[in-house]
Amino acid sequence: GDSVTQMEGPVTLSEEAFLTINCTYTATGYPSLFWYVQYPGEGLQLLLKATKADDKGSNKGFEATYRKETTSFHLEKGSVQVSDSAVYFCALSDRFYTGANSKLTFGKGITLSVRP
Amino acid sequence: SAVISQKPSRDICQRGTSLTIQCQVDSQVTMMFWYRQQPGQSLTLIATANQGSEATYESGFVIDKFPISRPNLTFSTLTVSNMSPEDSSIYLCSVEILSNTGELFFGEGSRLTVL
Repeated sequence: GDSVTQMEGPVTLSEEAFLTINCTYTATGYPSLFWYVQYPGEGLQLLLKATKADDKGSNKGFEATYRKETTSFHLEKGSVQVSDSAVYFCALSDRFYTGANSKLTFGKGITLSVRP
Repeated sequence: SAVISQKPSRDICQRGTSLTIQCQVDSQVTMMFWYRQQPGQSLTLIATANQGSEATYESGFVIDKFPISRPNLTFSTLTVSNMSPEDSSIYLCSVEILSNTGELFFGEGSRLTVL
């Protein structure tokens, strides 16, 4: 079945540091890929998405590129802020190639803490 | 996008009791789902809430434990029955709106603590 693997956490960075959070996936077709973020005390929010190979999703200074050859969707940000402290989840949707209802498969999530 | 309201936002429950969580969406959606997020864990899909018919449950989840209703396009309930401390989790309602990307929108969740 489909699966998403995220790098182990937690991650602690200083403000303005470069961020990379690794995400790889296993799927039998061509899934859509997502990064969701959960800020402290809040619900899950979509951060960015990519629906086909070589697409780059971007939002709030974060970027991730859909790499089919390496089955990866790594999240990057050039300069993190304290307000980026949150839990980040990588996820995939198998909707298009299964013909079934949308289901999101999530990675385990990683906690990012940014120090001033 | 969609605005999703869940009630209650949190509750403390006694072992053996049942609690119903409500999910209301401000617009018509194509799909509604219920997820569970156990402490320090990722999200696990419990079931797909189907309008006017029985929910579709994922492996490991059964209707007797997690009965779900969806009487119309914008409202659903999840009941956690005969609760035990292992049911302490955040339960999230999520919806898919008419789109072609498969992205889901989530409610803020209902944090249940079972004593």
